[in-house]
Amino acid sequence: EVQLVESGGGLVKPGGSLRLSCAASGFTFSSYSMNWVRQAPGKGLEWVSSISSSSSYIYYADSVKGRFTISRDNAKNSLYLQMNSLRAEDTAVYYCARDLAVAGTSYYFDYWGQGTLVTVSS
Amino acid sequence: QSALTQPASVSGSPGQSITISCTGTSSDVGGYNYVSWYQQHPGKAPKLMIYDVSNRPSGVSNRFSGSKSGNTASLTISGLQAEDEADYYCSSYTSSSTSVVFGGGTKLTVL
Repeated sequence: EVQLVESGGGLVKPGGSLRLSCAASGFTFSSYSMNWVRQAPGKGLEWVSSISSSSSYIYYADSVKGRFTISRDNAKNSLYLQMNSLRAEDTAVYYCARDLAVAGTSYYFDYWGQGTLVTVSS
Repeated sequence: QSALTQPASVSGSPGQSITISCTGTSSDVGGYNYVSWYQQHPGKAPKLMIYDVSNRPSGVSNRFSGSKSGNTASLTISGLQAEDEADYYCSSYTSSSTSVVFGGGTKLTVL
């Protein structure tokens, strides 16, 4: 069974940093591109970042470019999101999501974690 | 990246059919067949319902169907059931930033 479990969320002050983790199991993690998608309270979904299976290709939404860094450790079946210079508008539930395609990028997300809440407030 | 445009809400009675529209531009919906739809129940993670405009992942009911015309994609749910009440989001690849853009979401109410 595919499982994605996020952790690392919490309350942080504006300008602060936080590192999210996503532990994957039930599939060959190193064969799939992975993504972070966020959802502000009561709002819609927003794609944040993606990383290819071998970390060769990395993309960011304009809203987080230069502040967030996505990475992965295929030996540990883990995905990460380092978030720096956090702003109030970064407050959201952050989901880890697997790309549908094996060894490629499909722009579709077939498995999602339960999400971890990040609150940026003084 | 600008969000795709969806109606804020739609409603229908059990057994009826409803359609949710998703309007973009030639840089996303109109230019590529990388359109998908997600269902999200309150407090839950989104679930992929449609990909490649009209394909259903294994396990998704054939009551859900997708289509596209020009810059507008559509999700149709036939034979509405109470369990279909949820938020629905469209998504598309966008060439403007080599990424993914979502619609604002549509709340489906089953009357």
